[in-house]
Amino acid sequence: DQQVKQNSPSLSVQEGRISILNCDYTNSMFDYFLWYKKYPAEGPTFLISISSIKDKNEDGRFTVFLNKSAKHLSLHIVPSQPGDSAVYFCAALWSSGTYKYIFGTGTRLKVLA
Amino acid sequence: DTGVSQNPRHKITKRGQNVTFRCDPISEHNRLYWYRQTLGQGPEFLTYFQNEAQLEKSRLLSDRFSAERPKGSFSTLEIQRTEQGDSAMYLCASSPGTGDFYNEQFFGPGTRLTVL
Repeated sequence: DQQVKQNSPSLSVQEGRISILNCDYTNSMFDYFLWYKKYPAEGPTFLISISSIKDKNEDGRFTVFLNKSAKHLSLHIVPSQPGDSAVYFCAALWSSGTYKYIFGTGTRLKVLA
Repeated sequence: DTGVSQNPRHKITKRGQNVTFRCDPISEHNRLYWYRQTLGQGPEFLTYFQNEAQLEKSRLLSDRFSAERPKGSFSTLEIQRTEQGDSAMYLCASSPGTGDFYNEQFFGPGTRLTVL
């Protein structure tokens, strides 16, 4: 049972435009969410996170939105740059429970110059 | 301290051999995690430690897999009698466990295992 889903395996965006990556989860106990970027042959790099007590967190070009009622989060990258081309993973955590992070399957973002 | 480190970065072994990987977390991080990642998938949880205590193991972790964190610092993951299905990227991550950003998790570069 995939508790964290990224239904878009790939996304292409023009440089300078907005990239929107989506993530859905099924377990309402999750209370902390993270986004990671991964380049080939490297470990994932932490980007941004959000606690379930918030609905938005912003860090430079990256903003994460959380819609708890829909069990949905999204990562917005504005403006998109060619260096943003990578695979993006969302992850969810039940911080009062098992402290086990559950990852989605990733979305490959390609930013076209 | 520049981050989580893992050694070796690459390991090629023959089926049936034992392998051991090492992970050095960010100093003062209480939690240490091991994941396995295969092509087209996200990191898959294997096990995690709070200091030296191993608190949870995935059902995916067969008896051939064992992990230790003897002094609450570095950790080792051993795979005995390797099988071709063990070929994957093995990732280590650490998390502070305390403080303002206690849930942030940081990954090492991974160890790529190839079983021939």
